[in-house]
Amino acid sequence: DAGVIQSPRHEVTEMGQEVTLRCKPISGHNSLFWYRQTMMRGLELLIYFNNNVPIDDSGMPEDRFSAKMPNASFSTLKIQPSEPRDSAVYFCASSPGSGGVPTDTQYFGPGTRLTVL
Amino acid sequence: AQSVTQLGSHVSVSEGALVLLRCNYSSSVPPYLFWYVQYPNQGLQLLLKYTSAATLVKGINGFEAEFKKSETSFHLTKPSAHMRDAAEYFCAVSPAPHNQGGKLIFGQGTELSVKP
Repeated sequence: DAGVIQSPRHEVTEMGQEVTLRCKPISGHNSLFWYRQTMMRGLELLIYFNNNVPIDDSGMPEDRFSAKMPNASFSTLKIQPSEPRDSAVYFCASSPGSGGVPTDTQYFGPGTRLTVL
Repeated sequence: AQSVTQLGSHVSVSEGALVLLRCNYSSSVPPYLFWYVQYPNQGLQLLLKYTSAATLVKGINGFEAEFKKSETSFHLTKPSAHMRDAAEYFCAVSPAPHNQGGKLIFGQGTELSVKP
């Protein structure tokens, strides 16, 4: 199995630009999670989906952030416009359960390191 | 609200020494608890999880953790540290009610250093 795939692995952009991060979950997994990791705030859950439907987006910092999951094999996290404080590592994770099983293991991708200048 | 607290943001041990990483949880219902490990420049991966079966849980790479309800703890241990264990370790809890789509709440992480 290829695992969770994220692209790009590194992104450097200038303040005000639009940034799109992509994630392909493990085939057959029904839940998908987006996290942000920084030194100051640790690992934060931004949004998650069950069966392609957003369940909880309360962790999304502000309206500049949006996420979509148009089908079971693809999700995007978009930041528009980007700001220097958005610099972080963004992780995507998927888990098998349909409807979100509380004991499910989450499988993480390698992350996208975003730098906003 | 459920939460986990990891005591000590940095732990340093010598190779061959006991590893003890501390995690305390706060939960109004029996919790589901997890330990994940993050190696440098990688995503997190599951070490072990407690799902209300045996209180002593064995995981990968020789790690284990014991659920102690009386102490609200789920500390991670390994009898003998290896250099390859150097990483960041995260404790996590599945928040109640347990129908929130499988989300996890992570602790702040503990960075483990292993000295030769």
